[in-house]
Amino acid sequence: GENVEQHPSTLSVQEGDSAVIKCTYSDSASNYFPWYKQELGKRPQLIIDIRSNVGEKKDQRIAVTLNKTAKHFSLHITETQPEDSAVYFCAASKRGTYKYIFGTGTRLKVLA
Amino acid sequence: NAGVTQTPKFQVLKTGQSMTLQCAQDMNHNSMYWYRQDPGMGLRLIYYSASEGTTDKGEVPNGYNVSRLNKREFSLRLESAAPSQTSVYFCASSGPLRLAKNIQYFGAGTRLSVL
Repeated sequence: GENVEQHPSTLSVQEGDSAVIKCTYSDSASNYFPWYKQELGKRPQLIIDIRSNVGEKKDQRIAVTLNKTAKHFSLHITETQPEDSAVYFCAASKRGTYKYIFGTGTRLKVLA
Repeated sequence: NAGVTQTPKFQVLKTGQSMTLQCAQDMNHNSMYWYRQDPGMGLRLIYYSASEGTTDKGEVPNGYNVSRLNKREFSLRLESAAPSQTSVYFCASSGPLRLAKNIQYFGAGTRLSVL
């Protein structure tokens, strides 16, 4: 069945360093890939997304890259700050459907 | 404009009790979803409703039922709660597909403990 694998499960970086989280999807019909950030005790919120006809998208310090051939996509956070500490989830959605398949999440800790 | 509103925020049940989790959205969205979140498991889809009048099973539907009461409201019912249903439950909604995008907006969650 459809599956999204996410790595690593935890990631600690020094403030100012970069963080990279990777996801691999199984269904080649997937065409929309959102990333959500969830702060402790809060709801997941969309931070960036990418469609399958685009290879890279950037929004200030965050960027997402997509490799359709390898079926993986990655979240890049540069110049990390303590407020970036949260759990990040990737997801994949298939053409013509409404469902997401979520990855299992990455707990990012930014050390001051 | 409140977005997606869930009630209650917290609930403690005894094994075998029943309850309904309520969800309402004021964004005129067609689609609504119920997820459960467990440590290390991410967000798993229980049921979803692509549009008013339709519901479909997700990854983990056993032990749950849903009702799409109208376009705004989508409830999740536990008929006979079990300790394995201890979790945080999130409701979400999304608008029509546009340019392949289907952005889901989440409620604040319901933390449920079943003793």
